Amino acid sequence: NAGVMQNPRHLVRRRGQEARLRCSPMKGHSHVYWYRQLPEEGLKFMVYLQKENIIDESGMPKERFSAEFPKEGPSILRIQQVVRGDSAAYFCASSPVEGSRGYTFGSGTRLTVV
Amino acid sequence: EDKVVQSPLSLVVHEGDTVTLNCSYEVTNFRSLLWYKQEKKAPTFLFMLTSSGIEKKSGRLSSILDKKELFSILNITATQTGDSAVYLCAVPPPVGGTSYGKLTFGQGTILTVHP
Repeated sequence: NAGVMQNPRHLVRRRGQEARLRCSPMKGHSHVYWYRQLPEEGLKFMVYLQKENIIDESGMPKERFSAEFPKEGPSILRIQQVVRGDSAAYFCASSPVEGSRGYTFGSGTRLTVV
Repeated sequence: EDKVVQSPLSLVVHEGDTVTLNCSYEVTNFRSLLWYKQEKKAPTFLFMLTSSGIEKKSGRLSSILDKKELFSILNITATQTGDSAVYLCAVPPPVGGTSYGKLTFGQGTILTVHP
């Protein structure tokens, strides 16, 4: 049973380009959460999704960031027109039911904006 | 807004030492507190604490919660170089709130264990 799969592991983008980060939850998990970790900081919640629904996006920046979790396929975190300040590690977690029990993190995508 | 503060921010010890990591929190309608270990990649779950005074133990790691004073400690005895990592504590939203899965993390304690 594979864990939470994130890809790519590393992503380099030039300022102004788009970044797409993918997250496949564990088998049987229908709840997905995205977090961002800036250097020297803890993880900051961004968005919580279930299949085809955004449940809580209170941590998402108002512009340039969007997330989806379609009926088929992985969850996608999309950052348009990236800026240097978007450079961070982005972690995805999934759980079988809402809540922290069984909450499993992926290995993250490290985004570098040059 | 929920608040989680960890101390110290970093700690350097030698193998065999015992360390105590602290996590204080401000949460209305507390539900639970979680500890994670983060090496170079994914945070991995260590403990979930819900009740005061009950120690959770796993090998050389143990943790306890004080709901009156609003803090938790994580102890690691006889440290090894493999314990070097960032240790994170987190709390879910309060009881009765929405989005139970959203965790608020502290900034982490960077533990370095030298041989």
